[in-house]
Amino acid sequence: DAGITQSPRHKVTETGTPVTLRCHQTENHRYMYWYRQDPGHGLRLIHYSYGVKDTDKGEVSDGYSVSRSKTEDFLLTLESATSSQTSVYFCAISEDVRTEAFFGQGTRLTVV
Amino acid sequence: KNEVEQSPQNLTAQEGEFITINCSYSVGISALHWLQQHPGGGIVSLFMLSSGKKKHGRLIATINIQEKHSSLHITASHPRDSAVYICAVGTSGSRLTFGEGTQLTVNP
Repeated sequence: DAGITQSPRHKVTETGTPVTLRCHQTENHRYMYWYRQDPGHGLRLIHYSYGVKDTDKGEVSDGYSVSRSKTEDFLLTLESATSSQTSVYFCAISEDVRTEAFFGQGTRLTVV
Repeated sequence: KNEVEQSPQNLTAQEGEFITINCSYSVGISALHWLQQHPGGGIVSLFMLSSGKKKHGRLIATINIQEKHSSLHITASHPRDSAVYICAVGTSGSRLTFGEGTQLTVNP
């Protein structure tokens, strides 16, 4: 299995609190992605990174920020969590879209 | 209209049946991925292809670039094949765009 881990795996938080999810890889892949998965929608891209300190927005980036200070770590931050951000979050890594993508196990976030 | 459309959304089969899941896309792509998601959430890459056909065990994936269509076939289906199958296309830059998935249930 590709070396990609997400933490935490489950979190319940209150509306208005900041939350940070971590994605850690041991594969030295260039690209890292954060997706959310909701019923009735496919996986939707929040933000992605194409190198250290190089990030870009995805289709559902409002309310989220990211940072990548090291190749192996990609952090997703909800500055002030809202109930609409209750979701399952997946991190993925790849060298390129022409190569295989590897996914983390997901983080189930509940905002109450 | 979504850029990636999968059909059917739900599929129930009896063990041993031949299964086909379809994926149509409306954009130019660099590659197409088929993924599997089991209950409990983990997502696994099954295939990545940009032309032709690939086979792995009982799974076969085909793509027709001109028609912008791909199919995933499962031969001799088994209850352990029950999962959500997701089609994703690599488009501009390094992004993947996903279909909504096909929920497959194989009954014994």
